[in-house]
Amino acid sequence: GAVVSQHPSRVICKSGTSVKIECRSLDFQATTMFWYRQFPKQSLMLMATSNEGSKATYEQGVEKDKFLINHASLTLSTLTVTSAHPEDSSFYICSARGRNNYGYTFGSGTRLTVV
Amino acid sequence: GESVGLHLPTLSVQEGDNSIINCAYSNSASDYFIWYKQESGKGPQFIIDIRSNMDKRQGQRVTVLLNKTVKHLSLQIAATQPGDSAVYFCAENRFRSNDYKLSFGAGTTVTVRA
Repeated sequence: GAVVSQHPSRVICKSGTSVKIECRSLDFQATTMFWYRQFPKQSLMLMATSNEGSKATYEQGVEKDKFLINHASLTLSTLTVTSAHPEDSSFYICSARGRNNYGYTFGSGTRLTVV
Repeated sequence: GESVGLHLPTLSVQEGDNSIINCAYSNSASDYFIWYKQESGKGPQFIIDIRSNMDKRQGQRVTVLLNKTVKHLSLQIAATQPGDSAVYFCAENRFRSNDYKLSFGAGTTVTVRA
């Protein structure tokens, strides 16, 4: 079955630094990737959608200059949290979809803690 | 705005009993729905899906029912086991901003009592 690998699983960083999270589709071509954020005891909230080779589309209220998304290949998307602050601490999850509109595969998530 | 939501935030069930988790959606144009299971610290795990041209679909110990008339989705788990303890989310595949995207409900926390 389709597998998406997300790294790192946990990261702690200092305020003001940047953190990069990687999401890779291992056995299929991910034409579209999605990035979600999940706060404790809450649901997944979509942050942005990216198509390979195109600029990401951000959801309302998500700062595109703070959450940089790169989808340079059909198997890799990265999310960079720039100038991280404690309020950016959250669980970040990626999802990848192939050429049909119905097959979503999720990564295992990244727990980001900003101190 | 329109969103997918769940009726109850928590469900406690005796081991061996059947569980029913409900979900209400508001976008009648959505054509695909998915149930996910999420354990603590992990990503969502696919359980079962259903397209809008169906009203019932069965998997191993799980059944999803779709009632388009009242825009209601449910997940039934047969013979609930301790390993079923988790948060369950329904998700709705909606077309917006020129693409299909998943919108998640609030989630139901299922606790299985031994």
